[in-house]
Amino acid sequence: DTGVSQNPRHKITKRGQNVTFRCDPISEHNRLYWYRQTLGQGPEFLTYFQNEAQLEKSRLLSDRFSAERPKGSFSTLEIQRTEQGDSAMYLCASSLGSGLSNQPQHFGDGTRLSIL
Amino acid sequence: AQTVTQSQPEMSVQEAETVTLSCTYDTSESDYYLFWYKQPPSRQMILVIRQEAYKQQNATENRFSVNFQKAAKSFSLKISDSQLGDAAMYFCAYKKTSGSRLTFGEGTQLTVNP
Repeated sequence: DTGVSQNPRHKITKRGQNVTFRCDPISEHNRLYWYRQTLGQGPEFLTYFQNEAQLEKSRLLSDRFSAERPKGSFSTLEIQRTEQGDSAMYLCASSLGSGLSNQPQHFGDGTRLSIL
Repeated sequence: AQTVTQSQPEMSVQEAETVTLSCTYDTSESDYYLFWYKQPPSRQMILVIRQEAYKQQNATENRFSVNFQKAAKSFSLKISDSQLGDAAMYFCAYKKTSGSRLTFGEGTQLTVNP
């Protein structure tokens, strides 16, 4: 069990650029989640996958945000035309589950995005 | 919508002493889970303890225990024999049984003084 891996750890970019983050979940976990955490706040839910299907999206996920999980393994989160307000820590979590089973979510170290 | 409130932005405790962190939540659901997560500086979020709402018995994990008051919608975390390594931001979180997302509180920054 190597844990949830996120890359890159830090990303600095200019406003208006596109960025993409990657998350590799724990290998046997079929569920994958993205959260956003701003300084001094708790994480906020963005989206959730079960296998390759994106089953839930928060209204925080504007049309500039897109997430994918091809083949139900790793996931990518892309932000297009970045804005100052996108500066945050982006956290990925994974869990094992089916139906109403509720195994706890395991978090990665996060990707810190800074918009210049 | 569910909300989670942590009214203590900061708490401090002396090493080896006991500290209690508070959390209240609001939900109309009857089946849900509650969690405490720990986030050390620049490190990943770690699950400390969880409680199923249908269980009356309070969860315990070594030095960590909760006081779950369902009617009052209160879920406090007690840390006994505090250690320097307990210093971190602690988040209370809620998840309805049929749902996927965790809803987090604002966090409580715990300092442990030697």
